Amino acid sequence: DIQLTQSPSFLSASVGDRVSIACRASQGISSYLAWYQQKPGKAPKLLIYAASTLQSGVPSRFSGSGSGTEFTLAISSLQPEDFATYYCQHLNGYPRTFGQGTIVEIK
Amino acid sequence: EEQLVESGGGLVQPGGSLRLSCAASGFSFSDHYMDWVRQAPGKGLEWVGRIRNKANRYTTEYAASVKGRFTISREDSENSLYLQMNSLKTEDTAVYYCARTYSSSWGLDPFDIWGQGTMVTVSS
Repeated sequence: DIQLTQSPSFLSASVGDRVSIACRASQGISSYLAWYQQKPGKAPKLLIYAASTLQSGVPSRFSGSGSGTEFTLAISSLQPEDFATYYCQHLNGYPRTFGQGTIVEIK
Repeated sequence: EEQLVESGGGLVQPGGSLRLSCAASGFSFSDHYMDWVRQAPGKGLEWVGRIRNKANRYTTEYAASVKGRFTISREDSENSLYLQMNSLKTEDTAVYYCARTYSSSWGLDPFDIWGQGTMVTVSS
């Protein structure tokens, strides 16, 4: 099974900061990676797929990059509504593993 | 509006069974692969399994943790997805989400629509 490791697990940042979250796969997965945002008590929301393709309706301050085993989710200027937990997920085989999550909290 | 609504959660004893339902509306349900994802209290997301569409013979995939105990099915005429859970364990306690896959293309199948989730508690 493919394992996904996110770093950091917890991130404290201020409104307006640029933040980055890393996701490392245990084996190469090409660009078959998605990113989701989840707020407390809510279902996850798709942000990015194919490593760098922004889902329709997602603000352009979100971006994704990477291929193979190293991926990054970046938020260019953190907004109050971006404080949430972020998960990566691989789309290359089964099981469709998620990373353990990164909590982004207000500093 | 494209929407998924789960139902059927509740409290069940270890070893018991439960059937979850997911009602789809606002899109062509029969075209899409559908998945189940769960989230234990205070924990991360865990993929449970998938059912493909008719064109792909309704084939299924399961996580190792549920294989042989859980069964995913669908009724396209009713725009409904199901998760039959048998031999439930305390570690199956979680919010269960149904989710639509964006496309059936390999690697381009993230979950673009999610239900609100239904809570399953396995406890004596």
